[in-house]
Amino acid sequence: ETGVTQSPTHLIKTRGQQVTLRCSSQSGHNTVSWYQQALGQGPQFIFQYYREEENGRGNFPPRFSGLQFPNYSSELNVNALELDDSALYLCASSFGNQPQHFGDGTRLSIL
Amino acid sequence: SQQGEEDPQALSIQEGENATMNCSYKTSINNLQWYRQNSGRGLVHLILIRSNEREKHSGRLRVTLDTSKKSSSLLITASRAADTASYFCATAAYNTDKLIFGTGTRLQVFP
Repeated sequence: ETGVTQSPTHLIKTRGQQVTLRCSSQSGHNTVSWYQQALGQGPQFIFQYYREEENGRGNFPPRFSGLQFPNYSSELNVNALELDDSALYLCASSFGNQPQHFGDGTRLSIL
Repeated sequence: SQQGEEDPQALSIQEGENATMNCSYKTSINNLQWYRQNSGRGLVHLILIRSNEREKHSGRLRVTLDTSKKSSSLLITASRAADTASYFCATAAYNTDKLIFGTGTRLQVFP
């Protein structure tokens, strides 16, 4: 079975730009969660999508938005990038109350 | 914000020794999970313990949970160099699978 894949692996942007990160969920999983992990910190929950609807959101501003597609893949969009948005962005997929499976993340650097 | 903290923040041991790391959390939980993260990679799920369980084993891993003290510990027995990684605890509240991570313990196992 194919695991969670994220693209791109690395990305460099400048302040004020917009970025889209992509995630393909593991086969059979219908729920996708996104996390932001700053250097040296634990991941922080951004939001979760279930059957194409947002299903919970963490303490992140509206410029962080997302989508889930009918095949359960997902996108994370961040507008008006700030220096503090530099982080590893992790996507995790799951089914029901089973543990979440994580991708290797996208490393986003803001200059 | 993080749910709680792991301690120690960093731990260095020799191969064959046991490694113990602790996690404290703040709110009532449905379950607590431990994840491993190799440098620059995604998180790998290790073990899940439910709020009505006190101890759980999986291979060389032993997890305990004390809900009265809002704390958990992860013991890795007979450690190997390949166990070198960061370890995170994550909690999930009732009726949600949104994970709240701790700050992590960086484990270094020397050959």
